Amino acid sequence: QVQLQQSGPGLVKPSQTLSLTCTVSGGSISSGAYYWSWIRQHPGKGLEWIGYVYYSGSTYYNPSLKSRVSISIDTSQNQFSLKLSSVTAADTAVYYCARDDRLPSGGPAGYLDYWGQGTLVTVSS
Amino acid sequence: DIQMTQSPSSLSASIGDRVIITCRASQGINNSLAWYQQKAGKAPNLLLYAASRLHSGVPSRFSGSGSGTDYSLTVSSLQPEDFATYYCHQYYSSPWTFGQGTKVEIK
Repeated sequence: QVQLQQSGPGLVKPSQTLSLTCTVSGGSISSGAYYWSWIRQHPGKGLEWIGYVYYSGSTYYNPSLKSRVSISIDTSQNQFSLKLSSVTAADTAVYYCARDDRLPSGGPAGYLDYWGQGTLVTVSS
Repeated sequence: DIQMTQSPSSLSASIGDRVIITCRASQGINNSLAWYQQKAGKAPNLLLYAASRLHSGVPSRFSGSGSGTDYSLTVSSLQPEDFATYYCHQYYSSPWTFGQGTKVEIK
């Protein structure tokens, strides 16, 4: 059974960079069978998709965050990471990592079938 | 971006009730729609994808239908563990977007 375990600080100062890591167990990231996504949820609000990474390192980001976000992958550690720079209070949210199936044609299927436990990140001085 | 509008935003229902939640996309999404259930303090769980395909392990009382811009999630007989917030999610066009959620509460 695949599991996604998130790690990273829950408090980040304004203007600094938010960094989170998602470690996958029960399957190999380098299999190429899946894409790996980050999603966030502002307190009491809905969900916002941030972006995804493939085992090759290729990425796609939500244009609303593209200038500040970076998602990377470390196949040797079976983990992928999120960096969000120049954070403000508006970036306070619960951040989730998730797995996305891969289509036979090669692209992401889009639906997210396994999720990490979530990390509340508060941006405050 | 494709806007996803769910209705209602909340509802009260009793055990055994049939519940229907709808989701309207701002443009056609060709059945590229998923539904998730989220309980307080937990991550969302995938219920259905491709509008009507049940994810592995999800009870058959959950079903989905729709086409074009209009989709629905039906719970045929509400169980105590079904009280939660439900989200629709379109993955037809990037950036993927979600509905605002429908909270199902106990009447």
